[in-house]
Amino acid sequence: EAGVAQSPRYKIIEKRQSVAFWCNPISGHATLYWYQQILGQGPKLLIQFQNNGVVDDSQLPKDRFSAERLKGVDSTLKIQPAKLEDSAVYLCASSLYGGATNEKLFFGSGTQLSVL
Amino acid sequence: GESVGLHLPTLSVQEGDNSIINCAYSNSASDYFIWYKQESGKGPQFIIDIRSNMDKRQGQRVTVLLNKTVKHLSLQIAATQPGDSAVYFCAEAFSGSARQLTFGSGTQLTVLP
Repeated sequence: EAGVAQSPRYKIIEKRQSVAFWCNPISGHATLYWYQQILGQGPKLLIQFQNNGVVDDSQLPKDRFSAERLKGVDSTLKIQPAKLEDSAVYLCASSLYGGATNEKLFFGSGTQLSVL
Repeated sequence: GESVGLHLPTLSVQEGDNSIINCAYSNSASDYFIWYKQESGKGPQFIIDIRSNMDKRQGQRVTVLLNKTVKHLSLQIAATQPGDSAVYFCAEAFSGSARQLTFGSGTQLTVLP
């Protein structure tokens, strides 16, 4: 079974530039998550989708971050404009249903973003 | 706000010894706990989970212990191997919060030859 795919693997940009990350979840998984992981910290949830609807985006900095999952499969996370503090690894995860507390999340390898 | 924290940021153990990684959580309403392993350059990988109605759960070479009285979680790895070297995160969830996971800051486990 293929895992969660993310691209690009690395990205280096200057502050105030824009950047986009792409995620393809495990086939058949209804729920998709984007996490931000700052160096030395645990992942922090940015946004959660159930199919193509947003379940929770309370921790997404909406003035600069946006995400979409138009057809309920792939997802894109965008930052515009980027700030130095956005330097982090952006992890995508998926789960089969997303409704049960004990449902396992499967993570991709992430996109490492460096903002200079 | 509520958070999950770890007692030690780093842990070094001899190959073949047992490892114990600790975690303190602060949300007494959390009812589901998970341990993840994250190797360098990879995403977190599920290791083992436990619900709040249990105090111990065993997997292959790993055991998770939950002490709700003191809000403490631990991960025990038996016969630690070089491949166990990674950062270990505990995470908590509350079933009334749309299944949101809150991660701790992680413990770096290094296995010495």
